[in-house]
Amino acid sequence: EPEVTQTPSHQVTQMGQEVILRCVPISNHLYFYWYRQILGQKVEFLVSFYNNEISEKSEIFDDQFSVERPDGSNFTLKIRSTKLEDSAMYFCASSDFASGRSSYNSPLHFGNGTRLTVT
Amino acid sequence: RKEVEQDPGPFNVPEGATVAFNCTYSNSASQSFFWYRQDCRKEPKLLMSVYSSGNEDGRFTAQLNRASQYISLLIRDSKLSDSATYLCVVLPADSWGKFQFGAGTQVVVTP
Repeated sequence: EPEVTQTPSHQVTQMGQEVILRCVPISNHLYFYWYRQILGQKVEFLVSFYNNEISEKSEIFDDQFSVERPDGSNFTLKIRSTKLEDSAMYFCASSDFASGRSSYNSPLHFGNGTRLTVT
Repeated sequence: RKEVEQDPGPFNVPEGATVAFNCTYSNSASQSFFWYRQDCRKEPKLLMSVYSSGNEDGRFTAQLNRASQYISLLIRDSKLSDSATYLCVVLPADSWGKFQFGAGTQVVVTP
């Protein structure tokens, strides 16, 4: 079964540094997403990406964050000037949602996450 | 009011028993609904979509009540491997991807 893959599985960085989290979505999927989960809390939406541009973003996704699809397979999340409160599990997801297709048949498929620890 | 609310549990269930729990959502125009399961510190994995007429997948039954704005999940003949946190996920009507997650209901199946 096709998978979403994320690297690295664990990233430790010092406060103020920049990190790039990488994802390879499922190849025929069109929508890509980043979600995060702070330890013990719920999964939170950060951003969705379609047709090489941001489709939606949450209030969490401020100027500190950016996303990019640098080539035909990778999807990245960049976090600039990391803060202690950015420590969380970051999940990439993709879906094959398309116009005319029921959203019921296009759920999110998650990667296994990158645990970001900011010290 | 939270957009998606779940009873956090834990629901302690003897092996072989049935357990059921609900999730309420605030946006009456929400378009689609899902149950995911999440094991400790792992990614959420799709369990099943929830259709308007209700649907079953093996030992799992999901129901949608649009009038009262809740969905439910019932697990029959619980297995030890069903121990997990079950996440209710809702897609708002005006969104293509801003899925909203509940905080999860923890189920612990005991021998």
